[in-house]
Amino acid sequence: GAGVSQTPSNKVTEKGKYVELRCDPISGHTALYWYRQSLGQGPEFLIYFQGTGAADDSGLPNDRFFAVRPEGSVSTLKIQRTERGDSAVYLCASSPYSRGLGELFFGEGSRLTVL
Amino acid sequence: RKEVEQDPGPFNVPEGATVAFNCTYSNSASQSFFWYRQDCRKEPKLLMSVYSSGNEDGRFTAQLNRASQYISLLIRDSKLSDSATYLCVVNVEGTASKLTFGTGTRLQVTL
Repeated sequence: GAGVSQTPSNKVTEKGKYVELRCDPISGHTALYWYRQSLGQGPEFLIYFQGTGAADDSGLPNDRFFAVRPEGSVSTLKIQRTERGDSAVYLCASSPYSRGLGELFFGEGSRLTVL
Repeated sequence: RKEVEQDPGPFNVPEGATVAFNCTYSNSASQSFFWYRQDCRKEPKLLMSVYSSGNEDGRFTAQLNRASQYISLLIRDSKLSDSATYLCVVNVEGTASKLTFGTGTRLQVTL
């Protein structure tokens, strides 16, 4: 389909391991967002890209989290030394609009479980 | 205080009922407002934007009260398919370029 694609859909890892989560946005969408959603909570902002650059990374919880979007399309969220508290659904969204205006189109998410 | 607050519910209503959800936001500089719908274990999807004058889309009506920093969503003639979590979303322009989501209000429509 033409929607936002996220891989893997499920990832189980052990505490201390490194994980990468991939997001392929809708073609032509310049804005890309990563959110994290824990059970019973709303999505929590992590980082926003406009093109290749991270326009706002104020939501990243600590320096174990990093995201890139080298060619302005696909983005990868990287988590080092995973902790059990990192377990959540990581949602990617893209938008043709900048600065949070207008609709965000979400992928189905990557469910991360840290044992 | 959370930036966006919602009653988590659940709201259990019979089919055909009218139900209203409320949401309050703390930042008076908030400029854009939305309601998103999220089905169980699915991604959020935009339901409707909220405009200052209030707006309607079929059975759904959204209202904004800037003075009280309050947003509402009214659903008339509830359908079983309306069962979902409704997320209140607020954007503050000119600061962080992000949408802030509430925790969501869960609606269960029953026969």
